[in-house]
Amino acid sequence: EPEVTQTPSHQVTQMGQEVILRCVPISNHLYFYWYRQILGQKVEFLVSFYNNEISEKSEIFDDQFSVERPDGSNFTLKIRSTKLEDSAMYFCASSELSRGNQPQHFGDGTRLSIL
Amino acid sequence: AQTVTQSQPEMSVQEAETVTLSCTYDTSENNYYLFWYKQPPSRQMILVIRQEAYKQQNATENRFSVNFQKAAKSFSLKISDSQLGDTAMYFCASAGGATNKLIFGTGTLLAVQP
Repeated sequence: EPEVTQTPSHQVTQMGQEVILRCVPISNHLYFYWYRQILGQKVEFLVSFYNNEISEKSEIFDDQFSVERPDGSNFTLKIRSTKLEDSAMYFCASSELSRGNQPQHFGDGTRLSIL
Repeated sequence: AQTVTQSQPEMSVQEAETVTLSCTYDTSENNYYLFWYKQPPSRQMILVIRQEAYKQQNATENRFSVNFQKAAKSFSLKISDSQLGDTAMYFCASAGGATNKLIFGTGTLLAVQP
């Protein structure tokens, strides 16, 4: 069964540095998402992406965050100047269509640790 | 705005027994969907079961079934014949609107005891 893959599995970065988290969605999927889960807390929506543009973003997704699909395969989340509070598990997800009966498939996540 | 509430932070069940996890939600969407995701220690989020809100019939997937009470905005998950591999964090989630973003509850940590 096709899977969403995320790299790296764990990223350790100094505060203030830029970090890029990578995701390869399932190949025939058109909608892409990033979610965040701070340790011990619930999973929170960050951003959705369709047709090479952001379709919705949450309050968390401020100017420090950006997403892009540089080559038609990868889907990346960039944090320009990381803060301690950015430490979390970041999940990428994709779905074939933007309807609830087309479920989102999640990757294994990237654990981001900011020092 | 959509909200999802899970009032049971932790649950425990004996192997082979049945357990029910609670979830309530609120949404302004007319068309919406409800989900239960499982997150085992290996951390990947796995879809367990989903329910279309316009369907009255409760969804079932093998040992997993839901009790969907639309008027009460309740969406509980029943796991029958619990197995050790069911030990995980279970998240209830709702989706609706144009982008279909998922709104998650805080999760219930289920421990299946041998």
